Amino acid sequence: DAGVIQSPRHEVTEMGQEVTLRCKPISGHNSLFWYRQTMMRGLELLIYFNNNVPIDDSGMPEDRFSAKMPNASFSTLKIQPSEPRDSAVYFCASSGLAGGPGYEQFFGPGTRLTVL
Amino acid sequence: GQSLEQPSEVTAVEGAIVQINCTYQTSGFYGLSWYQQHDGGAPTFLSYNGLDGLEETGRFSSFLSRSDSYGYLLLQELQMKDSASYFCAVLGAGSYQLTFGKGTKLSVIP
Repeated sequence: DAGVIQSPRHEVTEMGQEVTLRCKPISGHNSLFWYRQTMMRGLELLIYFNNNVPIDDSGMPEDRFSAKMPNASFSTLKIQPSEPRDSAVYFCASSGLAGGPGYEQFFGPGTRLTVL
Repeated sequence: GQSLEQPSEVTAVEGAIVQINCTYQTSGFYGLSWYQQHDGGAPTFLSYNGLDGLEETGRFSSFLSRSDSYGYLLLQELQMKDSASYFCAVLGAGSYQLTFGKGTKLSVIP
């Protein structure tokens, strides 16, 4: 199993540009999570999908952030327009205990985003 | 909402035992997970407590007391490779979402 796959691994962009982060969860997993990690705020949940449906997006910081999961094997997190304060490591995680608690989440390697 | 408290840094000697505490306040609680993260890496799952008591997985053990809203991670026979950040995370009443603490940076010294 390849694990959770994220791309790109590193992204450097200029303020105002659109950024799209991509995630492929582990095959068979029905829950997908997007997190953001910074030194100041730690690891924050942005949005959670269950069976491709967004269940909780209360962690999305503002309207500049949007996330989609068009099918069970792909999700995107988009920032438009990007700002320097969005610089962080963005993790995607999936969980596959069907019908069970999501205490064990499998994290991808992360995307390190730098907005200049 | 959820809030978790854990020490920011801990230093311990190779071969020793270290305990990382976690206290939480939550509006809904299903269980407590622990994750390890090496510098530049991704969080990886270590253990989970859904019931009070001790769970043991090799050199690592985790404990939970629901009545005290308290848990800890115990690492025995410390190795240099255990130098990493350790996060406690509350599994909320919805049972799918984890809220992470700020993490404890463990440094293992020779």
